[in-house]
Amino acid sequence: GAVVSQHPSWVICKSGTSVKIECRSLDFQATTMFWYRQFPKQSLMLMATSNEGSKATYEQGVEKDKFLINHASLTLSTLTVTSAHPEDSSFYICSARDPAGGYEQYFGPGTRLTVT
Amino acid sequence: AQKVTQAQTEISVVEKEDVTLDCVYETRDTTYYLFWYKQPPSGELVFLIRRNSFDEQNEISGRYSWNFQKSTSSFNFTITASQVVDSAVYFCASYGSSNTGKLIFGQGTTLQVKP
Repeated sequence: GAVVSQHPSWVICKSGTSVKIECRSLDFQATTMFWYRQFPKQSLMLMATSNEGSKATYEQGVEKDKFLINHASLTLSTLTVTSAHPEDSSFYICSARDPAGGYEQYFGPGTRLTVT
Repeated sequence: AQKVTQAQTEISVVEKEDVTLDCVYETRDTTYYLFWYKQPPSGELVFLIRRNSFDEQNEISGRYSWNFQKSTSSFNFTITASQVVDSAVYFCASYGSSNTGKLIFGQGTTLQVKP
């Protein structure tokens, strides 16, 4: 089946620094990837839709200048949390859609970000 | 707009009990898909099942079964003879043809199975 990886699986950074999270589709080309954020004991919240070769589409309330998304290739999307603050600490999950599979989304294992 | 409601926030059962997780969806699409995912403590989402709006028959897979009823807009999930390893958060989600690829998740139900 389709596999999506994320790197790193967890990261601790200091307040004010930037952190980059990678999302890769390992065995298929993903024209569309999605980034979610999940706070403890809450559901997944869609942050943005990332389309290869074009600008990401952000959900209402998500700061695009703070959460930079780049989808430079068909197998890689990156999320950069700029000038991170403790309130950005969260579990970030990406998913990728295989065009051959239509609507199906395949989820990465998630990245746990802790900002101190 | 699409919406998924999981009214049960937390459920606690004793091992070997059967448990049903409720899911109610709202959609205006005639073509849509419903999903169940399991999220164990590790955090990784595990895909359990997908149903499309044209396939209303129920399904059984081992100890898992799903009851999809369009008349009540429900897609309930039953675990038979629950086990401790079933302890996790379970999410119901929907995808509609008008949703531009977005999955809409319910709030999740935390299931605790005690030995």
